[in-house]
Amino acid sequence: AQSVTQPDIHITVSEGASLELRCNYSYGATPYLFWYVQSPGQGLQLLLKYFSGDTLVQGIKGFEAEFKRSQSSFNLRKPSVHWSDAAEYFCAVGPSGNTGKLIFGQGTTLQVKP
Amino acid sequence: DAMVIQNPRYQVTQFGKPVTLSCSQTLNHNVMYWYQQKSSQAPKLLFHYYDKDFNNEADTPDNFQSRRPNTSFCFLDIRSPGLGDAAMYLCATSINPLADTQYFGPGTRLTVL
Repeated sequence: AQSVTQPDIHITVSEGASLELRCNYSYGATPYLFWYVQSPGQGLQLLLKYFSGDTLVQGIKGFEAEFKRSQSSFNLRKPSVHWSDAAEYFCAVGPSGNTGKLIFGQGTTLQVKP
Repeated sequence: DAMVIQNPRYQVTQFGKPVTLSCSQTLNHNVMYWYQQKSSQAPKLLFHYYDKDFNNEADTPDNFQSRRPNTSFCFLDIRSPGLGDAAMYLCATSINPLADTQYFGPGTRLTVL
């Protein structure tokens, strides 16, 4: 079955420290992969996506992610976290089924300490 | 700016009283989706429209219906809201349904009293 696992439910980092959020997926073919961010009470904003090509993907707000087929992973990274990065982060994979829907992970809540 | 707009942002309804949530888009995308997101959970797809074609997820309750009168607008109707339907409802759009990038609106927070 197709699935996405975000092993870390909650992560706390200090402002200025580096960040890595983990995402592992189970998918029968080459997936499309996405990272979305959601601030409290808001919708989801796309950070970056991988469809094909270069496995290191650059996104908005200084985020990047690396697709590793051998590890079925698509981890999100940022070299220096800002207090405004505190939010919930969702990894998603697709397409799934006849409708091509996205499958979301359970999310990782990022807290940033001053 | 092209965008996905949801109204209202907050909706309070009574148990069993029908409610309609609205989504509009200026992106001219072919596909519009409705997701339900409960607290601390991932978004769950309810259904989507590809142009005028309606696609219901197998586990979406009959209590949830949708209408898409034109390209720009899509409505979510909850016929008899229960306490378990309290959630954030997210509208999203994409150019095509095969996992093209989905663009989300800000969501409507539904409270059921």
